[in-house]
Amino acid sequence: DAGVTQSPTHLIKTRGQQVTLRCSPKSGHDTVSWYQQALGQGPQFIFQYYEEEERQRGNFPDRFSGHQFPNYSSELNVNALLLGDSALYLCASSFRRLNSPLHFGNGTRLTVT
Amino acid sequence: KNEVEQSPQNLTAQEGEFITINCSYSVGISALHWLQQHPGGGIVSLFMLSSGKKKHGRLIATINIQEKHSSLHITASHPRDSAVYICAVRSVYSGGGADGLTFGKGTHLIIQP
Repeated sequence: DAGVTQSPTHLIKTRGQQVTLRCSPKSGHDTVSWYQQALGQGPQFIFQYYEEEERQRGNFPDRFSGHQFPNYSSELNVNALLLGDSALYLCASSFRRLNSPLHFGNGTRLTVT
Repeated sequence: KNEVEQSPQNLTAQEGEFITINCSYSVGISALHWLQQHPGGGIVSLFMLSSGKKKHGRLIATINIQEKHSSLHITASHPRDSAVYICAVRSVYSGGGADGLTFGKGTHLIIQP
């Protein structure tokens, strides 16, 4: 039973470019959440997807957008990259019910130069 | 706004010592998570609790809802316990679903042989 998988593991982009990160949830999970973790900080909630719609959103600009596919996998897109977007991007999957345990992927390390 | 504070930020101990990591939060919560993050980024969920105490192997997590405080204890610590331990809470004011977590900055634990 595969856990949460994220791709790519590492990525280097230039300021102004656009990036797409991918996440496949744990088998059976229908909810995907994305987090940004800057170096030395705790993760910050970006948004959550369920039934192919964004259900909750943290304090992130519209440059951050996402998508969920019918197979529950998800993408995180970031446009017009800034140096400050350099971080570890984590995906977590769960069931929709309240306080379902979270399962995290290993993250994508994004470096913006 | 929900604030999550962890202490200590850094902790170095000898193998075999009893370890305590503390987490305080500022608003009512529906659940508190203790997470473990190893170098490289992957996060593992250790506990999810909303009251009382939970134990898994050498790990014990407690929560006091009235005092808005939780502790993670490690008995007979071992070098393989070295990691960042993160507390995350889900406010009762969050929308439906399994997310909208607020994270602490983490406690960097090093267990020396």
